[in-house]
Amino acid sequence: DAGVIQSPRHEVTEMGQEVTLRCKPISGHNSLFWYRQTMMRGLELLIYFNNNVPIDDSGMPEDRFSAKMPNASFSTLKIQPSEPRDSAVYFCASRKIGGETQYFGPGTRLLVL
Amino acid sequence: AQKVTQAQTEISVVEKEDVTLDCVYETRDTTYYLFWYKQPPSGELVFLIRRNSFDEQNEISGRYSWNFQKSTSSFNFTITASQVVDSAVYFCALSEALDNNAGNMLTFGGGTRLMVKP
Repeated sequence: DAGVIQSPRHEVTEMGQEVTLRCKPISGHNSLFWYRQTMMRGLELLIYFNNNVPIDDSGMPEDRFSAKMPNASFSTLKIQPSEPRDSAVYFCASRKIGGETQYFGPGTRLLVL
Repeated sequence: AQKVTQAQTEISVVEKEDVTLDCVYETRDTTYYLFWYKQPPSGELVFLIRRNSFDEQNEISGRYSWNFQKSTSSFNFTITASQVVDSAVYFCALSEALDNNAGNMLTFGGGTRLMVKP
């Protein structure tokens, strides 16, 4: 079975540009999570969805960040405009509601110059 | 609020040594789940094990074993006869009990970097 798929795997952009990260959860999973990993803050939850509905976005740093889940098989995390401090690895994870384990994608390594 | 502490930021061992990674957690929930994930140098997060708060039985999987002690709020991970391929960052994580209408966000510890030298 395919795991969580994220694209792109690497992204280098300049400050001020819009960045869109994409995630395809595991088929049949109906909870989706976006995490960010930095050296300073470790792994932190940004937002999560249940059945395509955002449940908790309290971890989203600021209004420059937005996330959508238009259907059960696709989610995006957008940063507009991007800033150097947004440089991090962004992970997407999915879980089946009723299950306990989140499975992570390979991550997107973002570098904002 | 939930909290996970991995006091060991970095451990270095020589191949074939046994090594224990410590994890201490805090939660007000009576039902919760504990996890260990491995992050190898390639960067992905690999699920290793899940434990629920009602099951304090220790678990062994090959060279890996986990010791869950509710009395000390600890969930330690031991690798027996370590190998170079075990070199990675290991994360302990905690989530609250599931509700059909709620997600279970993971609270991660800071991670322990394990270096196994040949």
